[in-house]
Amino acid sequence: DAKTTQPPSMDCAEGRAANLPCNHSTISGNEYVYWYRQIHSQGPQYIIHGLKNNETNEMASLIITEDRKSSTLILPHATLRDTAVYYCIVRVLGDKIIFGKGTRLHILP
Amino acid sequence: GAVVSQHPSWVICKSGTSVKIECRSLDFQATTMFWYRQFPKQSLMLMATSNEGSKATYEQGVEKDKFLINHASLTLSTLTVTSAHPEDSSFYICSADEGVSYTDTQYFGPGTRLTVL
Repeated sequence: DAKTTQPPSMDCAEGRAANLPCNHSTISGNEYVYWYRQIHSQGPQYIIHGLKNNETNEMASLIITEDRKSSTLILPHATLRDTAVYYCIVRVLGDKIIFGKGTRLHILP
Repeated sequence: GAVVSQHPSWVICKSGTSVKIECRSLDFQATTMFWYRQFPKQSLMLMATSNEGSKATYEQGVEKDKFLINHASLTLSTLTVTSAHPEDSSFYICSADEGVSYTDTQYFGPGTRLTVL
């Protein structure tokens, strides 16, 4: 079973920041938080991951709470191409990935 | 990022025939590859873990004699759907693990859509 809880869907206006929440209250000390997204009929795409510090790359920022029980993925300037299902996953390095249901993000023009 | 390819991207076959799907890591070696399938409007379901040079580990409920996995090299894993039936029609996706390090990440292929008539 997936170890994360995400809202089933969210809307965001084009050009605005999209903030996708994820709860992982049972996360273990050696588990990382990973985010992937899947655009329709494609394979999942890696976005970002982190252990406890906030992380940023060219795609997004990951904010992890101090107690590590939740996190937020931030897409700073959403575009129509960001419409996808976003999966928040917790895993130990090298372990298999178990997908939950994810959040279906709709970017509105 | 690293690139994983799948071939074919789509296939249509008759019921009772076998279909082979290839998964390749193009610019890195992957000791471990994973196979998933995804039905319409559902999430990805892990089928098996494939380790180079050893037998695959199947998830509970996945028939190992029906879904044959061969991981013959560090860049190639194959999934063969034997005696395919219409209920096997699905989107099959592989992923490859680039290794254990801080940057350890699984990269996914583009998927193969199988339609069994």
